[in-house]
Amino acid sequence: ETGVTQTPRHLVMGMTNKKSLKCEQHLGHNAMYWYKQSAKKPLELMFVYNFKEQTENNSVPSRFSPECPNSSHLFLHLHTLQPEDSALYLCASSEATTGVGGSPLHFGNGTRLTVT
Amino acid sequence: QKEVEQNSGPLSVPEGAIASLNCTYSDRGSQSFFWYRQYSGKSPELIMSIYSNGDKEDGRFTAQLNKASQYVSLLIRDSQPSDSATYLCAVLFSGGYNKLIFGAGTRLAVHP
Repeated sequence: ETGVTQTPRHLVMGMTNKKSLKCEQHLGHNAMYWYKQSAKKPLELMFVYNFKEQTENNSVPSRFSPECPNSSHLFLHLHTLQPEDSALYLCASSEATTGVGGSPLHFGNGTRLTVT
Repeated sequence: QKEVEQNSGPLSVPEGAIASLNCTYSDRGSQSFFWYRQYSGKSPELIMSIYSNGDKEDGRFTAQLNKASQYVSLLIRDSQPSDSATYLCAVLFSGGYNKLIFGAGTRLAVHP
């Protein structure tokens, strides 16, 4: 299997539930990302991990908790979410670089989350 | 000021015409720029990357970068109905690791 795989594809959860989103990349990359895409809004960067270390937290509420056990796997743990958190959550991976020649992102197919 | 700005569109062009998509960004230190295409219900896919001022061509696509004006554009020649999608401009911001910021996207509609 190649590319970036996200599971589940769809998730419906109540505000009191706890669930986790999973992302796995088979591209040999060492940077992984979570983005949120809401209707008619730009892709919002949530978290960035480089070599398993979190290097970016874009002021994300604590009800979203990321975990990166190794360079190939990334999780997003969800608890006590709000209806406005309903969105498409996209995982991506890339080479870990900065500045000139920055590596493009490869996206997974996303998890469509609905909070009821 | 938004970090990466694009006109939301829709930009409507006839088949065979040139579509011109524009993007401005706020971080003067940015060095890496990308264009992604996103079909409805799908995830973004990379079309072009550009790092130096000037033009970069790849098939029917040409990316243009002007760092002094903090402006990047994408031209699509001989537009096809299959090019109808949302085009996302992404900028790698300086001062951080892999902080890739996206614009809201321009919706392109190519009509036969």
